This record gives sequence, structure tokens and C-alpha cells, in this order.
Amino acid sequence: GEDVEQSLFLSVREGDSSVINCTYTDSSSTYLYWYKQEPGAGLQLLTYIFSNMDMKQDQRLTVLLNKKDKHLSLRIADTQTGDSAIYFCAEGFMDSNYQLIWGAGTKLIIKP
Amino acid sequence: DGGITQSPKYLFRKEGQNVTLSCEQNLNHDAMYWYRQDPGQGLRLIYYSQIVNDFQKGDIAEGYSVSREKKESFPLTVTSAQKNPTAFYLCASSMEGWGNQPQHFGDGTRLSIL
Repeated sequence: GEDVEQSLFLSVREGDSSVINCTYTDSSSTYLYWYKQEPGAGLQLLTYIFSNMDMKQDQRLTVLLNKKDKHLSLRIADTQTGDSAIYFCAEGFMDSNYQLIWGAGTKLIIKP
Repeated sequence: DGGITQSPKYLFRKEGQNVTLSCEQNLNHDAMYWYRQDPGQGLRLIYYSQIVNDFQKGDIAEGYSVSREKKESFPLTVTSAQKNPTAFYLCASSMEGWGNQPQHFGDGTRLSIL
């Protein structure tokens, strides 16, 4: 079945770039999403990319999609303490399947 | 401001008790969802509804029930049949119930056992 995998933790220094990776198994996905969850809060949609795109940039965020390797990444430039959170990637499908398939989330830890 | 409101933020359940979690949205979205989140895990879908008066079971529906009598509201009842209800519960909505529509989330309800 479909599966989405992420590393559980990533530690970076404040001011460096963070790269959070995600691999997925089902290549028929239409959209791939990145969400951010701060402690005790719900999920905030950060950005998403259509599956026929390679890259999408939005201010400090860059999403890269390698369809051949089924690999998605989220790069956060100039990482700040406010970026400390759990980041989830999710796959969506343009058919009768209502579900998003979720990764387990990557906890981003910022070192001073 | 448009958004999704979940209440209460914290809820405690006694043994043998049913409890109901509220979820209201003013985004005029057709589809609504309930997820359960356990520490270190991704989101697991409990129930979803693509339209008023219709809802479907997700992956872990046992021990839960829902209703969708109004477009704005999708309450979740955690019944006494759910033996391990301690978790963080998230409600979401999307314009339509397809995977090409981003889901928007409320701030969650944390349920604990007394």
C-alpha cells in the first residue's frame, strides 16, 4: 500500500538551512503537501506542489520534487528559532480516494 | 476570520463514559475530517464526511461515532468502547473531499483518562 517516510529528527544551527526529506511509494499522487505543527497546536499548511512540478519557492521555503526517486524535500533558508516544530509531508490523489497519506513527521530542533 | 474551532482544548474522560468533541468551521467547506495523533506517529483518520448527512469510516473508526447534520459542524463522540482514547484529536476541513484539496486544521483537543 501507500507509504510516506520521514526521518524523526533533524538538528540544525540557527541561521543555517534546514532540509527535511520525505520519500513516498505511490507515484500516482497529484499533490504533495508540507505542514508545520507547533507544540500543542494543530497543523498549519506551509506549501504544496503539484506532481508535474520540480520545484516551488515561497520566501524562505523551497520544495524540491524528484518523481523518479519518489523523493520530496523542504528547504528552510536562514532557520530561526520560530521554525522549531514538527514538519509533516503528505500525499494527495486526484481520484475517488479522499485520503491524504501522512508521514510520521520530522521534529526540527534549532541549536543556538 | 475564517477557520476551524475545536472545543474543548482539554478533556478528561472517566471509565465507561462517552465524551463528545466539538468541531465547527466557517470556511464553507464541504468536507470535514477527524484524525487521531499519538506521540511520534503521523495522523490516523477516524472518520470523514464529504457532504452534509453523509460520513465514512476511516482507518480507526472503532469506538468512535460522528454526525454531520450541518455543513459547519462535525462532532466526534469517543465512546466507552474505545479502550485507549488518550490522544490528541484534530479536526480538519477541505473545500471538497479530494486529495488535491489542502486540508485546514483546528488547534486540537487533548483527551485524557481520569
